[in-house]
This record gives sequence, structure tokens and C-alpha cells, in this order.
Amino acid sequence: AQSVSQHNHHVILSEAASLELGCNYSYGGTVNLFWYVQYPGQHLQLLLKYFSGDPLVKGIKGFEAEFIKSKFSFNLRKPSVQWSDTAEYFCAVNYWDGQNFVFGPGTRLSVLP
Amino acid sequence: DAGVIQSPRHEVTEMGQEVTLRCKPISGHDYLFWYRQTMMRGLELLIYFNNNVPIDDSGMPEDRFSAKMPNASFSTLKIQPSEPRDSAVYFCASSFRSGFTDTQYFGPGTRLTVL
Repeated sequence: AQSVSQHNHHVILSEAASLELGCNYSYGGTVNLFWYVQYPGQHLQLLLKYFSGDPLVKGIKGFEAEFIKSKFSFNLRKPSVQWSDTAEYFCAVNYWDGQNFVFGPGTRLSVLP
Repeated sequence: DAGVIQSPRHEVTEMGQEVTLRCKPISGHDYLFWYRQTMMRGLELLIYFNNNVPIDDSGMPEDRFSAKMPNASFSTLKIQPSEPRDSAVYFCASSFRSGFTDTQYFGPGTRLTVL
């Protein structure tokens, strides 16, 4: 079955710390990869996405993600987090085979001021 | 644009009652998605439409669930009869022409509680 896993359920960091959130997906042929974010009290919104080309993708608010095909991974990174990055982060995969869209379970990030 | 609009924002009902959730997608978007979010199962795709036509409803959990999209600006998700295990947040999302490969714009969700 097509599935997406995220390494951490809850991450707590201090401001200015570096962030890396892990995401792995099950093999399923051609995929497109996404990170969505849900800030407290707000809608889910797109952070960044990967379709093809340069495996290092830059998104909004200083976030980036790296696609490593051999590891079926798409980890999210930010060199220096801010309190305003406190949110829940969801990795998601569009599997072309079966035309399915699968979300990971989410990682809650708490940034301490 | 006002974004994706969902109503109601909160719904509390008793087991056995019919529940109808509503969604207005962003104007001009061709795709509409319904998701359910629970603590146990996370975000699950229930069904999606392209140009008002249901494309894949394999995520709909049971026959008690049904969804319609009578026109480009309105969709409903109905649960009849409702059960306590249906308690969840239900999200509607829409996207432009490319469906899954396009950015999905999510509504605020409807928090459903079935007593």
C-alpha cells in the first residue's frame, strides 16, 4: 500500500536552531512531493513542492526540501527557525500510479522564544 | 477570492442523525477534494471531483458516506446515519487544472462531533 511516514510526532526547538523534519514514502513509481503547513488557527497551505529537476527545492519562509530518490525521502529543512514557525507540518505524495494523494501523519513543531 | 469556504465550521449531532457538510471551491478551480482528519488515521482522501464529476471515491469509508457536486461552485458530503466514529475534522480543498499536481487550497474544515 502507498504510505508516507514522518520521523517525528513532535519536535521542540529554541529560536535560531536548525530544523530538519524527515519524510519517507513507499515505492510507487513516479511521484510528486509536497510539504504542507498548518499554522495555529489557519488553513493548511502549501510550503513547497517537487516535480522534477533540481532535487533541492526552495519554498516560502526560508524552507527547503531535498528529494533523495534512492532513499525515498523528502526531508524539510530550515537553517534557523523562528517562533512563528510553530505549526504542524505534513509531507504529502502524489502517486501517479493509481492517481492517489497520501498525507503523512504530520509533525508538530514547537519553537520556544 | 475568498478562498475555499466550508460550512458549518462546527457540527454536533447525535448518533443516527443525518449530517451534511458543505463546500464552495475557489472560482475557476476544476478539482475538488474531500479529506477527513482524525488522530488515529491522519488526513485521508475520501473522494475527489473533476469538473463536477466524481473521479475516485475509493477513500469513502462506508456506504453511509456520499458526496455530490451539482455545480462548479458547490459540493456536499453527507453522512447518513452518523456514528460516533465519524467524529473528525472534514476538509474540502480545490485545485486548478492539474488536480493532484497542482497546489491544493484548503478550507478551514468542519469539526464534526457525533455523540
